[in-house]
Amino acid sequence: AQKITQTQPGMFVQEKEAVTLDCTYDTSDPSYGLFWYKQPSSGEMIFLIYQGSYDQQNATEGRYSLNFQKARKSANLVISASQLGDSAMYFCAMREVSGTYKYIFGTGTRLKVLA
Amino acid sequence: GAGVSQTPSNKVTEKGKYVELRCDPISGHTALYWYRQSLGQGPEFLIYFQGTGAADDSGLPNDRFFAVRPEGSVSTLKIQRTERGDSAVYLCASSLLGHTGELFFGEGSRLTVL
Repeated sequence: AQKITQTQPGMFVQEKEAVTLDCTYDTSDPSYGLFWYKQPSSGEMIFLIYQGSYDQQNATEGRYSLNFQKARKSANLVISASQLGDSAMYFCAMREVSGTYKYIFGTGTRLKVLA
Repeated sequence: GAGVSQTPSNKVTEKGKYVELRCDPISGHTALYWYRQSLGQGPEFLIYFQGTGAADDSGLPNDRFFAVRPEGSVSTLKIQRTERGDSAVYLCASSLLGHTGELFFGEGSRLTVL
C-alpha cells in the first residue's frame, strides 16, 4: 500500500537561508509521481513541484528543488533563499501510475520563516 | 471560472442533519477528487471520479457518505445523519491526469456539525 511520511511537524528557518523538508514514501508500484504542495494559513493548496519516478534529474521550479533519492525512497523539498511568505504548511504527496490514480498526502510540515 | 469552485464555503449544521457540498471543477478536467482535512492534518482521500464514474471510493468512511458526478463535471458530496466527527474542511480537486497530473484544489468547504 502507498504511504507518505513527513517526520518534521514543524521547522524554523531564518529569512534568506535554505531549508530542507523531509518526505519518505513507500510503494510497490515502479511508476509513480511525487508532488509537493504549499498550504498558507488562508487554506488553499498550491502545487509547487513534481518528480516522476523515471525522471533522471531532480526537479527544480524557481527557488524549489526536489532532492529525489529513489533507492532511499525519499523526496525532500529544498527551498532556497527563504522568504517570509514561505511560512505555511507543506505537504508531500504521491500518486501511483498503475491502479486508480489516487493521490495520498503526508501529515505535513509547518514551516516558519523568521525575519 | 478559471479555478475549482466549491460551495458553500462554510456550513454549520446540527447533528443528524443532511448536507450537500458542491464542487465545480476546472473546465475540461476529467478527474475529480474529494478530500477531507481535519485541523493540523494532511488531506485524507475520500473518492475519485474519472468522468461520471467513481474510479475509487475506498476512502469514504462509511455509508453515510456518498458522492455523485452525473454529467462528468460538477460533483456533489452528500453526508447523511451528520455527526460531530464529520466536522472538517472538505477539499475538492480536479486534474487532467497528464504527464504531471497535478491536482488543482478549490478553497474548500468548512463543515461544522454542532
